[in-house]
Amino acid sequence: QKEVEQDPGPLSVPEGAIVSLNCTYSNSAFQYFMWYRQYSRKGPELLMYTYSSGNKEDGRFTAQVDKSSKYISLFIRDSQPSDSATYLCALTSGGTSYGKLTFGQGTILTVHP
Amino acid sequence: DAGVTQSPTHLIKTRGQHVTLRCSPISGHKSVSWYQQVLGQGPQFIFQYYEKEERGRGNFPDRFSARQFPNYSSELNVNALLLGDSALYLCASSLAGQGYNSPLHFGNGTRLTVT
Repeated sequence: QKEVEQDPGPLSVPEGAIVSLNCTYSNSAFQYFMWYRQYSRKGPELLMYTYSSGNKEDGRFTAQVDKSSKYISLFIRDSQPSDSATYLCALTSGGTSYGKLTFGQGTILTVHP
Repeated sequence: DAGVTQSPTHLIKTRGQHVTLRCSPISGHKSVSWYQQVLGQGPQFIFQYYEKEERGRGNFPDRFSARQFPNYSSELNVNALLLGDSALYLCASSLAGQGYNSPLHFGNGTRLTVT
C-alpha cells in the first residue's frame, strides 16, 4: 500500500465548476500538508500549505485537512481554463525530515471553456 | 527575486554514462532537496542537504550522489546511467532548518533522457 493515494483522474470539468481533489494517507506521522500545481514541462508550484485539521482558504482555493480520517482535499471554485494542470498533494512529517515530501500520483485536471 | 534555477534544462545521455545536474536555491534558502519524477507519477525524494550535510536519502541506489557547496548550490550526480533513469529531475529549496517549517519551492527541472 502506498503511503499517499491520489486518484490520477483524468478529471474534465466545464468552466465555472467546483472541483474537488482528494488524497488519503496511511502514515499518522505526516503533520504538514501541501498542494502543488504542475503545468506541462514545468516544476511543481506551491498552491496551499497547512499543518492543522480544518479549512484554509486562499482566493478560489480551499484546502481541507482531516487528520482523524487521514484525508486531505483541495477545492477549486469558479474553475478557469488556466487551472488545467496536474495537481499534486504532498505530505511531510516535518522537523529534520522537512525536506522529504511524499507526493501523491497527481490528478490531471482539464477545465474546458 | 529569482526562484530555484536548474541547469541544464534538457540532457540526452547514453546508457553507462555519467551525468551532473546543477541547482541554485532561492536566495537565503540553505536547504536543497532533489526529486525524480517519472512521467505520470508524483516526484520521488532522492536527497536533502542542509548546510552542506546530507540530512536525508530516499530509496535510490548508490549510483546517485549529491553535494552542497558553501554558497548552498547543489549538484546531483548519477553514474552508470540506465534507461530507467530517464525522468524529470527536480530541485527544491526551503528555509527548513533555519527555524521555519516552510514549504519547498521547486525549479522547473532537468529533463534527462537515457538512450
